[in-house]
Amino acid sequence: SQKIEQNSEALNIQEGKTATLTCNYTNYSPAYLQWYRQDPGRGPVFLLLIRENEKEKRKERLKVTFDTTLKQSLFHITASQPADSATYLCALPFSGGYNKLIFGAGTRLAVHP
Amino acid sequence: NAGVTQTPKFQVLKTGQSMTLQCAQDMNHNSMYWYRQDPGMGLRLIYYSASEGTTDKGEVPNGYNVSRLNKREFSLRLESAAPSQTSVYFCASFPDRGDRGYTFGSGTRLTVV
Repeated sequence: SQKIEQNSEALNIQEGKTATLTCNYTNYSPAYLQWYRQDPGRGPVFLLLIRENEKEKRKERLKVTFDTTLKQSLFHITASQPADSATYLCALPFSGGYNKLIFGAGTRLAVHP
Repeated sequence: NAGVTQTPKFQVLKTGQSMTLQCAQDMNHNSMYWYRQDPGMGLRLIYYSASEGTTDKGEVPNGYNVSRLNKREFSLRLESAAPSQTSVYFCASFPDRGDRGYTFGSGTRLTVV
């Protein structure tokens, strides 16, 4: 069955540094991958989508890479700020279901001043 | 504001009671989804609706039923609540096109005692 793995340990970094979060997946080749941000007590908020034929995508201070050979996506936040502290989820479409997403458990990021 | 609205925000049920979680979106999206989120686990898909008049099971449908009342509304019903259904429930909608992701509601925190 499909599986998504994100580091369950919180990532603690200093303000101004680059945060890098990892998403690994197994057992199939998704057409795209998405990243979401979730704050405590709130619903996830969509950040970025990257397609299988795209190696990298950027949006402001965010950068996502997608390595279909390694079956891995990296999510980078440059010049991190305390306001970036949140849980970040990666999501992939279910095999055979283009618009149905399976989510990773998320990695909590804490940016310290 | 455009988005996904869920009601109620909080609910406590006794084992065996029934209730319906309501969800409405005003973005004219075809696809709608119900997920549950438990500590340490990713969002798990309960049911989804690819279009008005259609519904399908997700990963964890047992103990739940859904109704896609019209294009805007997608409700989730617990016929006989069990403690294992204690969770945070999220409704989401998807535009089906473009490089956009799900729009989530703010969630319903359900406790079954």
